[in-house]
Amino acid sequence: DTEVTQTPKHLVMGMTNKKSLKCEQHMGHRAMYWYKQKAKKPPELMFVYSYEKLSINESVPSRFSPECPNSSLLNLHLHALQPEDSALYLCASSLSGGIPYEQYFGPGTRLTVT
Amino acid sequence: KQEVTQIPAALSVPEGENLVLNCSFTDSAIYNLQWFRQDPGKGLTSLLLIQSSQREQTSGRLNASLDKSSGRSTLYIAASQPGDSATYLCASPRIGKLIFGTGTRLQVFP
Repeated sequence: DTEVTQTPKHLVMGMTNKKSLKCEQHMGHRAMYWYKQKAKKPPELMFVYSYEKLSINESVPSRFSPECPNSSLLNLHLHALQPEDSALYLCASSLSGGIPYEQYFGPGTRLTVT
Repeated sequence: KQEVTQIPAALSVPEGENLVLNCSFTDSAIYNLQWFRQDPGKGLTSLLLIQSSQREQTSGRLNASLDKSSGRSTLYIAASQPGDSATYLCASPRIGKLIFGTGTRLQVFP
């Protein structure tokens, strides 16, 4: 099974709301990633977790807060977002974060901030 | 610093044609190169991954080649079909993250 699942598929939130995105994989992968993708642009890396520890934060604003409760689950907590944060948020996983193994992506969450 | 570019940016062809998508990278010291497909508003589907020690990989009608000395990878799609319409992205890893190319938007019409 090479599936990464993400919920919800779509999310509309106001600038004062708090919401969370969820990502799950059961491939035994120990590296998980959050990407942000704007229309007609390639994905941009936000965070990397390796063995449940945050290993890369690409200078993402603190209104985005990642969490990795266990090796299969990755959350992205959202608070006080801006309209320009509207985008497709993609989760990915790979066997390990130290060696560049093949990355597998989820279907994404389409986020709209109003 | 690794930079990845893709040519052409967009391509529209009738079905049945054989296609070549190009990916260029500036740093030849790559570990591997991964090709993805993305349908509009969807996630990325991994198509092929070529290790630096390999020259090509094949999956069905897809063939990807890698030439590190020239800093190029090519995705060849044989006998294209309307279902191949999507954006194709190449990516190379650099210090724990993937560096993506700019993408090629492909449309195959009946």
